[in-house]
Amino acid sequence: QKEVEQNSGPLSVPEGAIASLNCTYSDRGSQSFFWYRQYSGKSPELIMFIYSNGDKEDGRFTAQLNKASQYVSLLIRDSQPSDSATYLCAVHAAGNMLTFGGGTRLMVKP
Amino acid sequence: ETGVTQTPRHLVMGMTNKKSLKCEQHLGHNAMYWYKQSAKKPLELMFVYNFKEQTENNSVPSRFSPECPNSSHLFLHLHTLQPEDSALYLCASSQDRTSGSETQYFGPGTRLLVL
Repeated sequence: QKEVEQNSGPLSVPEGAIASLNCTYSDRGSQSFFWYRQYSGKSPELIMFIYSNGDKEDGRFTAQLNKASQYVSLLIRDSQPSDSATYLCAVHAAGNMLTFGGGTRLMVKP
Repeated sequence: ETGVTQTPRHLVMGMTNKKSLKCEQHLGHNAMYWYKQSAKKPLELMFVYNFKEQTENNSVPSRFSPECPNSSHLFLHLHTLQPEDSALYLCASSQDRTSGSETQYFGPGTRLLVL
Protein backbone atom coordinates (compact mmCIF):
# COMPACT_ATOMS: atom_id res chain seq x y z
CA GLN A 1 0.00 0.00 0.00
CA LYS A 2 1.61 3.21 -1.16
CA GLU A 3 0.88 5.93 1.35
CA VAL A 4 1.14 9.66 1.60
CA GLU A 5 0.84 11.02 5.11
CA GLN A 6 -0.04 14.51 6.26
CA ASN A 7 -0.95 15.90 9.64
CA SER A 8 -4.64 16.81 9.35
CA GLY A 9 -4.23 19.93 11.51
CA PRO A 10 -5.54 22.48 11.86
CA LEU A 11 -2.25 24.31 11.69
CA SER A 12 -2.80 27.80 13.02
CA VAL A 13 -0.34 30.60 12.25
CA PRO A 14 -0.59 34.37 12.69
CA GLU A 15 -0.79 36.64 9.67
CA GLY A 16 2.65 37.42 8.31
CA ALA A 17 4.27 34.29 9.73
CA ILE A 18 5.75 31.36 7.82
CA ALA A 19 3.48 28.34 7.53
CA SER A 20 5.25 24.99 7.18
CA LEU A 21 3.30 22.05 5.82
CA ASN A 22 4.82 18.59 5.80
CA CYS A 23 4.25 15.38 3.91
CA THR A 24 5.89 11.96 4.02
CA TYR A 25 5.54 9.16 1.51
CA SER A 26 6.26 5.47 1.53
CA ASP A 27 7.18 4.65 -2.09
CA ARG A 28 10.91 5.19 -2.63
CA GLY A 29 10.32 5.08 -6.37
CA SER A 30 8.28 8.29 -6.25
CA GLN A 31 9.45 10.83 -8.79
CA SER A 32 7.00 13.72 -8.89
CA PHE A 33 5.54 15.66 -6.01
CA PHE A 34 2.67 18.10 -6.04
CA TRP A 35 1.02 20.55 -3.69
CA TYR A 36 -2.61 21.47 -4.17
CA ARG A 37 -4.68 24.03 -2.27
CA GLN A 38 -8.35 23.34 -1.66
CA TYR A 39 -10.71 25.93 -0.25
CA SER A 40 -13.76 24.64 1.57
CA GLY A 41 -16.36 23.41 -0.90
CA LYS A 42 -14.06 23.98 -3.88
CA SER A 43 -11.87 21.74 -6.01
CA PRO A 44 -8.10 21.30 -5.57
CA GLU A 45 -5.95 23.91 -7.28
CA LEU A 46 -2.35 23.13 -8.23
CA ILE A 47 0.15 25.35 -6.43
CA MET A 48 3.50 23.77 -7.20
CA PHE A 49 5.26 20.63 -8.32
CA ILE A 50 8.80 19.51 -7.65
CA TYR A 51 10.86 16.70 -9.14
CA SER A 52 14.39 17.22 -7.81
CA ASN A 53 15.88 17.27 -4.34
CA GLY A 54 16.23 20.71 -2.84
CA ASP A 55 14.10 23.81 -2.86
CA LYS A 56 11.85 25.29 -5.51
CA GLU A 57 10.49 28.77 -5.01
CA ASP A 58 7.47 30.41 -6.61
CA GLY A 59 6.47 33.73 -5.11
CA ARG A 60 5.60 33.24 -1.46
CA PHE A 61 5.66 29.46 -1.82
CA THR A 62 8.68 27.19 -1.47
CA ALA A 63 8.54 23.45 -1.98
CA GLN A 64 11.29 21.38 -0.39
CA LEU A 65 12.07 17.80 -1.35
CA ASN A 66 14.29 15.29 0.41
CA LYS A 67 14.05 11.93 -1.33
CA ALA A 68 16.44 10.22 1.08
CA SER A 69 14.10 11.04 3.95
CA GLN A 70 10.99 10.60 1.78
CA TYR A 71 9.80 13.99 2.84
CA VAL A 72 8.33 16.94 0.98
CA SER A 73 7.25 20.22 2.49
CA LEU A 74 5.59 23.47 1.51
CA LEU A 75 6.55 26.76 3.09
CA ILE A 76 4.27 29.77 2.79
CA ARG A 77 5.98 33.04 3.62
CA ASP A 78 4.09 36.13 4.81
CA SER A 79 0.96 34.04 5.39
CA GLN A 80 -2.33 35.78 4.64
CA PRO A 81 -5.85 34.98 5.84
CA SER A 82 -6.63 34.14 2.20
CA ASP A 83 -4.12 31.27 2.47
CA SER A 84 -6.48 29.53 4.91
CA ALA A 85 -7.39 26.29 3.16
CA THR A 86 -6.60 22.60 3.10
CA TYR A 87 -3.29 21.74 1.44
CA LEU A 88 -3.03 18.40 -0.31
CA CYS A 89 0.24 16.65 -0.99
CA ALA A 90 0.27 14.27 -3.98
CA VAL A 91 3.00 11.86 -5.02
CA HIS A 92 3.57 10.03 -8.27
CA ALA A 93 5.77 7.05 -9.05
CA ALA A 94 6.25 5.90 -12.65
CA GLY A 95 3.66 3.35 -13.65
CA ASN A 96 1.49 4.17 -10.68
CA MET A 97 -1.35 6.50 -10.01
CA LEU A 98 -1.05 9.88 -8.36
CA THR A 99 -1.58 9.28 -4.62
CA PHE A 100 -3.01 12.02 -2.44
CA GLY A 101 -2.52 12.60 1.25
CA GLY A 102 -5.43 13.46 3.48
CA GLY A 103 -4.52 17.14 3.55
CA THR A 104 -3.52 19.64 6.21
CA ARG A 105 -5.95 22.35 7.16
CA LEU A 106 -4.20 25.71 7.52
CA MET A 107 -5.72 28.62 9.41
CA VAL A 108 -4.07 32.03 9.16
CA LYS A 109 -5.33 34.35 11.88
CA PRO A 110 -5.43 38.13 11.29
CA GLU B 1 -14.22 28.26 -21.90
CA THR B 2 -10.90 27.17 -20.44
CA GLY B 3 -9.66 24.48 -18.10
CA VAL B 4 -11.84 21.67 -16.85
CA THR B 5 -15.58 22.14 -16.54
CA GLN B 6 -18.15 19.97 -14.83
CA THR B 7 -21.93 19.91 -14.91
CA PRO B 8 -24.08 19.96 -12.96
CA ARG B 9 -22.41 21.69 -10.06
CA HIS B 10 -25.00 20.40 -7.61
CA LEU B 11 -27.23 17.36 -7.84
CA VAL B 12 -29.85 15.89 -5.53
CA MET B 13 -31.20 12.49 -6.48
CA GLY B 14 -33.22 9.69 -5.02
CA MET B 15 -31.92 6.18 -4.73
CA THR B 16 -33.99 5.00 -7.70
CA ASN B 17 -32.99 7.82 -10.05
CA LYS B 18 -30.59 7.68 -12.96
CA LYS B 19 -28.41 10.71 -13.59
CA SER B 20 -25.17 11.54 -15.36
CA LEU B 21 -22.27 13.80 -14.49
CA LYS B 22 -20.40 15.47 -17.31
CA CYS B 23 -16.81 16.64 -17.52
CA GLU B 24 -15.12 18.50 -20.36
CA GLN B 25 -11.51 19.57 -20.59
CA HIS B 26 -10.22 22.32 -22.88
CA LEU B 27 -6.51 21.71 -22.22
CA GLY B 28 -5.70 19.30 -25.04
CA HIS B 29 -5.06 16.53 -22.54
CA ASN B 30 -5.44 12.84 -23.21
CA ALA B 31 -5.97 11.44 -19.72
CA MET B 32 -9.07 12.04 -17.63
CA TYR B 33 -9.96 10.94 -14.11
CA TRP B 34 -12.93 10.64 -11.78
CA TYR B 35 -12.35 11.12 -8.06
CA LYS B 36 -14.69 10.95 -5.09
CA GLN B 37 -14.12 13.19 -2.10
CA SER B 38 -16.15 12.51 1.02
CA ALA B 39 -16.03 14.60 4.16
CA LYS B 40 -12.81 14.16 6.14
CA LYS B 41 -11.45 11.51 3.77
CA PRO B 42 -8.65 11.66 1.21
CA LEU B 43 -9.41 11.91 -2.47
CA GLU B 44 -10.41 8.48 -3.78
CA LEU B 45 -9.51 7.68 -7.37
CA MET B 46 -12.41 5.98 -9.15
CA PHE B 47 -11.60 5.69 -12.86
CA VAL B 48 -8.85 6.64 -15.28
CA TYR B 49 -9.05 6.99 -19.04
CA ASN B 50 -6.01 7.41 -21.24
CA PHE B 51 -6.61 8.15 -24.92
CA LYS B 52 -10.27 7.14 -24.41
CA GLU B 53 -9.36 3.73 -23.00
CA GLN B 54 -10.16 2.88 -19.43
CA THR B 55 -6.93 2.02 -17.64
CA GLU B 56 -8.03 2.00 -14.02
CA ASN B 57 -11.15 0.94 -12.20
CA ASN B 58 -10.42 1.28 -8.54
CA SER B 59 -12.92 -1.35 -7.33
CA VAL B 60 -15.81 1.00 -7.89
CA PRO B 61 -19.35 -0.43 -7.48
CA SER B 62 -21.21 -1.05 -10.72
CA ARG B 63 -23.82 1.58 -9.85
CA PHE B 64 -21.16 4.01 -11.13
CA SER B 65 -20.57 3.64 -14.86
CA PRO B 66 -18.02 5.82 -16.67
CA GLU B 67 -18.01 6.72 -20.34
CA CYS B 68 -15.32 8.46 -22.35
CA PRO B 69 -16.44 9.12 -25.93
CA ASN B 70 -13.32 11.18 -26.74
CA SER B 71 -10.30 12.64 -25.01
CA SER B 72 -12.13 15.85 -24.14
CA HIS B 73 -15.28 14.42 -22.56
CA LEU B 74 -15.90 12.15 -19.62
CA PHE B 75 -19.19 11.07 -18.13
CA LEU B 76 -20.16 9.30 -14.93
CA HIS B 77 -23.52 7.58 -15.14
CA LEU B 78 -25.24 7.04 -11.81
CA HIS B 79 -28.04 4.61 -10.98
CA THR B 80 -29.53 3.18 -7.80
CA LEU B 81 -27.08 5.07 -5.61
CA GLN B 82 -26.94 4.84 -1.85
CA PRO B 83 -26.91 7.72 0.67
CA GLU B 84 -23.25 6.97 1.43
CA ASP B 85 -22.45 7.88 -2.18
CA SER B 86 -23.16 11.51 -1.33
CA ALA B 87 -19.88 13.34 -1.90
CA LEU B 88 -18.02 15.79 -4.10
CA TYR B 89 -17.21 14.17 -7.43
CA LEU B 90 -14.18 15.65 -9.10
CA CYS B 91 -13.00 15.30 -12.64
CA ALA B 92 -9.36 15.91 -13.52
CA SER B 93 -7.20 15.75 -16.62
CA SER B 94 -3.50 15.44 -17.37
CA GLN B 95 -1.35 15.37 -20.49
CA ASP B 96 -1.46 11.58 -20.64
CA ARG B 97 -0.51 8.58 -18.55
CA THR B 98 2.67 7.81 -20.47
CA SER B 99 4.34 11.21 -20.69
CA GLY B 100 5.73 10.95 -17.17
CA SER B 101 3.94 14.13 -16.19
CA GLU B 102 1.17 13.52 -13.71
CA THR B 103 0.24 17.15 -13.28
CA GLN B 104 -3.49 16.92 -12.93
CA TYR B 105 -5.91 19.80 -13.25
CA PHE B 106 -9.25 19.57 -11.53
CA GLY B 107 -12.71 20.71 -12.48
CA PRO B 108 -14.94 22.50 -9.96
CA GLY B 109 -16.69 19.29 -8.95
CA THR B 110 -20.27 18.13 -8.65
CA ARG B 111 -21.71 18.13 -5.15
CA LEU B 112 -23.99 15.07 -5.04
CA LEU B 113 -26.61 14.37 -2.41
CA VAL B 114 -28.41 11.03 -2.48
CA LEU B 115 -31.64 10.93 -0.51
